Amino acid sequence: DTEVTQTPKHLVMGMTNKKSLKCEQHMGHRAMYWYKQKAKKPPELMFVYSYEKLSINESVPSRFSPECPNSSLLNLHLHALQPEDSALYLCASSPSTGSQPQHFGDGTRLSIL
Amino acid sequence: AQTVTQSQPEMSVQEAETVTLSCTYDTSESDYYLFWYKQPPSRQMILVIRQEAYKQQNATENRFSVNFQKAAKSFSLKISDSQLGDAAMYFCAYSLYSMYSGGGADGLTFGKGTHLIIQP
Repeated sequence: DTEVTQTPKHLVMGMTNKKSLKCEQHMGHRAMYWYKQKAKKPPELMFVYSYEKLSINESVPSRFSPECPNSSLLNLHLHALQPEDSALYLCASSPSTGSQPQHFGDGTRLSIL
Repeated sequence: AQTVTQSQPEMSVQEAETVTLSCTYDTSESDYYLFWYKQPPSRQMILVIRQEAYKQQNATENRFSVNFQKAAKSFSLKISDSQLGDAAMYFCAYSLYSMYSGGGADGLTFGKGTHLIIQP
């Protein structure tokens, strides 16, 4: 069982919909991450939160809006997505920044119609 | 910017044999971490092994070991006694070392991956 829980596992949405991806961990980790992974490609970093503050935004379009309400929870709000945004979205957490291995969730498979 | 290169898109090995996956990286930093993650079709990224750049001793985890050559910027993974459950996509990854917790968080930079096939 994974210690990082992502919901939903699958999501299909239209380009005009608004939806949110959720990620939760209870390991006391203070750094959390969102990655995007296209089919047969490696994960690409999107956002990093450190102590509930956004520390890295890898030039992600504004239609992706991250939120970290508390140290255990990380959300990714989606609005007006494009078909090319269809991908696996992975959440990860680590005890601190950079120096510790990241623990990944199972991901949310997102399909944009 | 850091780059990670995996030159073997696919590798095949007989069950119980040994296989080595290659990884090279480019960085101007002296303190960093290197990882091997595996991603089976179930899609979860699973940590296989990690190496701190300041440690000269190569990391080992049961059947998994690395050959870390800092000067050559090489970080290969050796899997001994290959098992059917080892079949997966293997990613080499780099992370900059952050001395100050809470500041300057860094994500992982991944190579393109090596698809490992285990022949029964």
